[in-house]
Amino acid sequence: AQSVTQLDSQVPVFEEAPVELRCNYSSSVSVYLFWYVQYPNQGLQLLLKYLSGSTLVESINGFEAEFNKSQTSFHLRKPSVHISDTAEYFCAVKPSMIYNQGGKLIFGQGTELSVKP
Amino acid sequence: NAGVMQNPRHLVRRRGQEARLRCSPMKGHSHVYWYRQLPEEGLKFMVYLQKENIIDESGMPKERFSAEFPKEGPSILRIQQVVRGDSAAYFCASSPYGTSNTEAFFGQGTRLTVV
Repeated sequence: AQSVTQLDSQVPVFEEAPVELRCNYSSSVSVYLFWYVQYPNQGLQLLLKYLSGSTLVESINGFEAEFNKSQTSFHLRKPSVHISDTAEYFCAVKPSMIYNQGGKLIFGQGTELSVKP
Repeated sequence: NAGVMQNPRHLVRRRGQEARLRCSPMKGHSHVYWYRQLPEEGLKFMVYLQKENIIDESGMPKERFSAEFPKEGPSILRIQQVVRGDSAAYFCASSPYGTSNTEAFFGQGTRLTVV
């Protein structure tokens, strides 16, 4: 079985400051890792994903995440946040080798990022 | 290419009534997933369907909940005899394949309120 823990439920930060949203996972099989963003009253949008290759992945709007296999972590970072980054962020995993289970995602509890002017 | 469409966006039901939530996947997608988001919690997987088949329903409550994805038409999540604890946001996601490395696209959700 897999589980995902997001260590901070709320992260307040000032505009233009750096931010890190932490995510740790537990799994007995290899997994793919994802970060989703949810704006108020909206669905989830994929922010970035790690499938294989370089352990550092980046999004088009300045976020990056690094897969650390030894620490089973996939922390999300941005060097300078904007007001528009205010949203809820979800870390998620999928088992990578179990085709029969399809694309089921296991989510963390979410981190509410609040960017203040 | 329209995204995943869910309707209604908001649904209010009295205790004991039935709730029907609809999900039209993206064009060309034959795999549908339903998730439930309870207040202050993350999303929890409920069920995974392909056309006319339930593949994985390990997250579905044993009673009152059912799901289908017919050959024609949207996927339906049905909740019978709703209770206050069913109040949540229900999200549907679709993908063209069922492999783990395939991105799933989410709808905007249906927010169910049971009064």
